[in-house]
Amino acid sequence: KAGVTQTPRYLIKTRGQQVTLSCSPISGHRSVSWYQQTPGQGLQFLFEYFSETQRNKGNFPGRFSGRQFSNSRSEMNVSTLELGDSALYLCASYLGLAGFNEQFFGPGTRLTVL
Amino acid sequence: AQKITQTQPGMFVQEKEAVTLDCTYDTSDPSYGLFWYKQPSSGEMIFLIYQGSYDQQNATEGRYSLNFQKARKSANLVISASQLGDSAMYFCAMSETNTGNQFYFGTGTSLTVIP
Repeated sequence: KAGVTQTPRYLIKTRGQQVTLSCSPISGHRSVSWYQQTPGQGLQFLFEYFSETQRNKGNFPGRFSGRQFSNSRSEMNVSTLELGDSALYLCASYLGLAGFNEQFFGPGTRLTVL
Repeated sequence: AQKITQTQPGMFVQEKEAVTLDCTYDTSDPSYGLFWYKQPSSGEMIFLIYQGSYDQQNATEGRYSLNFQKARKSANLVISASQLGDSAMYFCAMSETNTGNQFYFGTGTSLTVIP
């Protein structure tokens, strides 16, 4: 069974640009969550999607947005990039059943903002 | 207040020895889940073990076991017979019923296994 894939793996952008990251979950999984990982703030929750609906959102500015498609693939977008957006962005895939779900993470996209 | 606290920034263990990584949590939700993940230098988070708040027995998965002490709000990870490949960052995480599948992560513990 294929794991979670994230594209691109590495990205370099400049301040003010926008970026779109993609996550393809494990086949059969209907939920995707996104996390930002930085040395200073650690791992922080961005948002959660289930069947194309955003179920939960973390405490990030509106420049961070996401969506999920009918095939469960998800994208997140960051507009007007800032230096502080440099981070490893991790996507987690899970079934989305009631209760607590084991989440499978992708390899991440490492974003560098210059 | 921090939801998850990991007080050991770095730990060293001799190969083949056991090691305990500490994790304490803070929640008023009676139903919650506790998870441990391993993150090698490659960056990918690897699921290790899960413990539900209502589980009576401590969870075990191969060489990993979770020492769950509910009254003390601690969920320590025990790795038995350490291997060189266990060298990585280890994160404790919690989900609460009222926030669904959102994970609260600790700051992590860097484990180094010494040959």
